[in-house]
Parts: sequence; structure tokens; C-alpha cells
Amino acid sequence: DTGVSQDPRHKITKRGQNVTFRCDPISEHNRLYWYRQTLGQGPEFLTYFQNEAQLEKSRLLSDRFSAERPKGSFSTLEIQRTEQGDSAMYLCASSPGLANEQFFGPGTRLTVL
Amino acid sequence: GEDVEQSLFLSVREGDSSVINCTYTDSSSTYLYWYKQEPGAGLQLLTYIFSNMDMKQDQRLTVLLNKKDKHLSLRIADTQTGDSAIYFCAGGSTLGRLYFGRGTQLTVWP
Repeated sequence: DTGVSQDPRHKITKRGQNVTFRCDPISEHNRLYWYRQTLGQGPEFLTYFQNEAQLEKSRLLSDRFSAERPKGSFSTLEIQRTEQGDSAMYLCASSPGLANEQFFGPGTRLTVL
Repeated sequence: GEDVEQSLFLSVREGDSSVINCTYTDSSSTYLYWYKQEPGAGLQLLTYIFSNMDMKQDQRLTVLLNKKDKHLSLRIADTQTGDSAIYFCAGGSTLGRLYFGRGTQLTVWP
């Protein structure tokens, strides 16, 4: 198993454009998490799924953000009408449950110009 | 609310031990975790401890938990230059989000 993968690794977009990120978790991990990390800060929780069900969303997740995990495997995070404040590293993690240990992917760095 | 505090910087000489400290406010945290992040990379899970344990050792890593004081520490023995990175403390329960501190930048001097 190659771990959690994320695509793309880097995305540069203009303000107002829509972007979509993909996360492929470790196979058979039923939980999948999205976090956002800005410079000098720790990751901040955005949302998580157990299988295909989205169980919790942070207040950070405005209505411009939407996440899906349609078949309980990969997940997508879409940001509509991007703003400069959306510039950050978007991290995905998966967990097999147990001790809720979360394994992170390499992240997608978003820059909004 | 949930809050995790860490000192921001630590410098040590190669071969010495490093001790990174963390305090947390959420007494309902079931597990406490240490992650390592190298520049431009995601987070690597180093170790975690169940809240009813006092200590966990894993090769060069020793985690100490003082649940009464809500204090967690990570000791790295024989610190190497490759250990230079940002170390994050996090708390969480058996399900759901983890709460992270701002991270401690560890610099190891040769």
C-alpha cells in the first residue's frame, strides 16, 4: 500500500475560479478527513466521512466548500468562487478506526491570486 | 473548547536528547498524538498514547502523559539532524477530528 495520495499537489488559480481536489485514502480505511493548514499553524479540521456518510463539518467550511465521498473510497473537496483567504495547504487523512490514528497525504497547496 | 499549546522553537545539538512539551485543555481526549512535518510535506504519525497510560516508549521516542496537569511530552533520544522538522501535538477521541497545536520547530545543530 502506498499511503494516502492527493491530487494535484499544487494548484494556482485566480480569484473567483472553482477548484477541485482529490484524495485517495489507504485502502480499507473507512474514515476520511479533510484539514486545512496555513503557514505557522497546525492543521484545522474541515470535515470527515465514515464510508460515504459525511458525519461532521466545521464552521470553517463555508457554503462555498463542498466535499463528497460517493462510493466510500476516494473523496473530492471543491471550493467555489475562490478567495485569496482560501490559499492554504489542504490535507487529507484516512483512519482505520481503532485508536483514530490518522494517516496524512502530502497535501494540495492552493494559491489564489 | 479544545486548545493545544506548544512552545514554538527548540534547538538542540546532535546526539543530545530533545524534549518537546505540550499542554491541552480537553480532558475528554481519549488519545494524544505526536506528528512530524518536514518542509512542504504532509504529517507523519510518530506515535500516540491512550489517555489512561502514563508512558509509552517506541525506539528513540518516549511519550510521557500527565493527565492531571494535561501535559504531554515527547522525548527524542540521540537526536539527529534528520530529526529537524516541526512536531505537532494533537488530541482526539475514538472518532472524529483531531485538535492540533501550532507545532514546535526543532532544529538540530551538528
